Amino acid sequence: GAVVSQHPSRVICKSGTSVKIECRSLDFQATTMFWYRQFPKKSLMLMATSNEGSKATYEQGVEKDKFLINHASLTLSTLTVTSAHPEDSSFYICSARGSNYGYTFGSGTRLTVV
Amino acid sequence: EDKVVQSPLSLVVHEGDTVTLNCSYEVTNFRSLLWYKQEKKAPTFLFMLTSSGIEKKSGRLSSILDKKELSSILNITATQTGDSAIYLCAVEAGNAGNMLTFGGGTRLMVKP
Repeated sequence: GAVVSQHPSRVICKSGTSVKIECRSLDFQATTMFWYRQFPKKSLMLMATSNEGSKATYEQGVEKDKFLINHASLTLSTLTVTSAHPEDSSFYICSARGSNYGYTFGSGTRLTVV
Repeated sequence: EDKVVQSPLSLVVHEGDTVTLNCSYEVTNFRSLLWYKQEKKAPTFLFMLTSSGIEKKSGRLSSILDKKELSSILNITATQTGDSAIYLCAVEAGNAGNMLTFGGGTRLMVKP
């Protein structure tokens, strides 16, 4: 079956630094990848949609200069949280979609900014 | 703007009870409705529904879509403490770059 690997699973960083989260589709080519953010006890909020080789499409209210998304290949997308602040602390999940697969989620990354 | 609404927001039941979770949607170019269970990490897939009136079943869980009413229900019979989780409903819609729009989730707690 389709597998998506996301790492790191947990990261703590200092305020003002940048953090990169990777999302890889292991056994299929992901034409589209999605990045979500989840606040405690809340549902998933879509941040952006990325297609391989093109710029990501950000949802309203999501700062594209703060949350940099790169989808350089059909199996890898990265989310970089730049100049992180405590309010960026959250659970970030990626999802990948290939031509023959439904949505497959990564295991998520818990980011804590101190 | 696409919208997905789930009810109730939260639910507390006892083991053995049957629960029904609701999901209603307003989207453009509906393609499918998906149910997920989320415990501590990423959501795990339960069902994908595309056709109205056809029940999908997996063990004690079942789900059905009503395209006329723009809604779906997820039933869990003979609940167990392991069913405690957030249940997410998501709708896939749109023409290009299909996205999932998630509902707010229903937090289910099953007490022994």
